[in-house]
Amino acid sequence: QKEVEQDPGPLSVPEGAIVSLNCTYSNSAFQYFMWYRQYSRKGPELLMYTYSSGNKEDGRFTAQVDKSSKYISLFIRDSQPSDSATYLCAMSVSGANSKLTFGKGITLSVRP
Amino acid sequence: DTAVSQTPKYLVTQMGNDKSIKCEQNLGHDTMYWYKQDSKKFLKIMFSYNNKELIINETVPNRFSPKSPDKAHLNLHINSLELGDSAVYFCASSHWSEQETQYFGPGTRLLVL
Repeated sequence: QKEVEQDPGPLSVPEGAIVSLNCTYSNSAFQYFMWYRQYSRKGPELLMYTYSSGNKEDGRFTAQVDKSSKYISLFIRDSQPSDSATYLCAMSVSGANSKLTFGKGITLSVRP
Repeated sequence: DTAVSQTPKYLVTQMGNDKSIKCEQNLGHDTMYWYKQDSKKFLKIMFSYNNKELIINETVPNRFSPKSPDKAHLNLHINSLELGDSAVYFCASSHWSEQETQYFGPGTRLLVL
């Protein structure tokens, strides 16, 4: 079993839809949970990060972490064509020498 | 005012050649990384450096040799290139204390023929 599993894609939704992106993980030592967005032919950019369990909201984006289920989600409300990108979840343990472990990414397309 | 820059953006070369990719960051970070993203978009760390010191070496063939002349630069030299080295290589940087918040460069697309 891979350390981080991400729902396979691609995913296509109409503009205005609510999008739910999910990852599961096996390493209970993970403490930091990130979502990166990668536009085509660009480098990943950090969208949101959460420490430990809980929710975090930033505009149309909400990140949720459920450590008891080893499950994280990113919700996008009122999706826009500009949200079309690949979304990668990433996780790390805390402390020095920690590294980011990424999911495989899911490509989202928002149709106008 | 580019935060993390890489050169070259594209690299097409023959099997067996040696090539280098350069990375520079102007964010004042002390930690830099090299990642490899394969054709299926899977992003995997290769190396990390903190203040010019190698911290992470993720079972990468020793044909790959990173070098950090100072904390703003991290270069990657690849010897005897193989077909399987074709990928996009990303450089990233962060503060040591905020390794969850990494800033990525635009990537170098390497194609080995």
